[in-house]
Amino acid sequence: DAGVIQSPRHEVTEMGQEVTLRCKPISGHDYLFWYRQTMMRGLELLIYFNNNVPIDDSGMPEDRFSAKMPNASFSTLKIQPSEPRDSAVYFCASARRGFQSWEQYFGPGTRLTVT
Amino acid sequence: DAKTTQPNSMESNEEEPVHLPCNHSTISGTDYIHWYRQLPSQGPEYVIHGLTSNVNNRMASLAIAEDRKSSTLILLRATLRDAAVYYCMPGGATNKLIFGTGTLLAVQP
Repeated sequence: DAGVIQSPRHEVTEMGQEVTLRCKPISGHDYLFWYRQTMMRGLELLIYFNNNVPIDDSGMPEDRFSAKMPNASFSTLKIQPSEPRDSAVYFCASARRGFQSWEQYFGPGTRLTVT
Repeated sequence: DAKTTQPNSMESNEEEPVHLPCNHSTISGTDYIHWYRQLPSQGPEYVIHGLTSNVNNRMASLAIAEDRKSSTLILLRATLRDAAVYYCMPGGATNKLIFGTGTLLAVQP
């Protein structure tokens, strides 16, 4: 299996622009997670899906952030408009739910820089 | 969500065992204890998880205290490739995983 695939790996954009991050989970996994990592705040869970349905989006910082999962093999995280404080590494992870346990597989991340 | 406490950093010598401690005194009875690690410039990587009994896999061993309020991740023989941040997280049927600050493990040759 190719693992979790994220694109782009690096993104540099100007403040106010729309940014779309993409994720392809591992085939057969029914959970998908979006995380954000910064030096100041560490690794934060933004949102997660189960069977393509958003379950918990309490970590989404504000309305500028939105996430979709139109099918089992694709998800997007969109920031519109982007701001410099959104600069971070964004990770996507997928999992096949174990009995009350979480074995998540992370992608390589997208490093976002907003100038 | 259960609160965890881990040392900020630890140091080990190559080829020696490493014991990484974690306190999770507020863990619920149904939560599993998960350990992940994050190598430099990579995404987190699952290491091991357990409920009550000690667990072993090809990466590490997990020792869980009888009262489940603490656990220890054991690397039998540290290598330079084990240098990473190690995260301990309780989580279960209703709790998502919350990554704390973890323990930064340095391995000296």
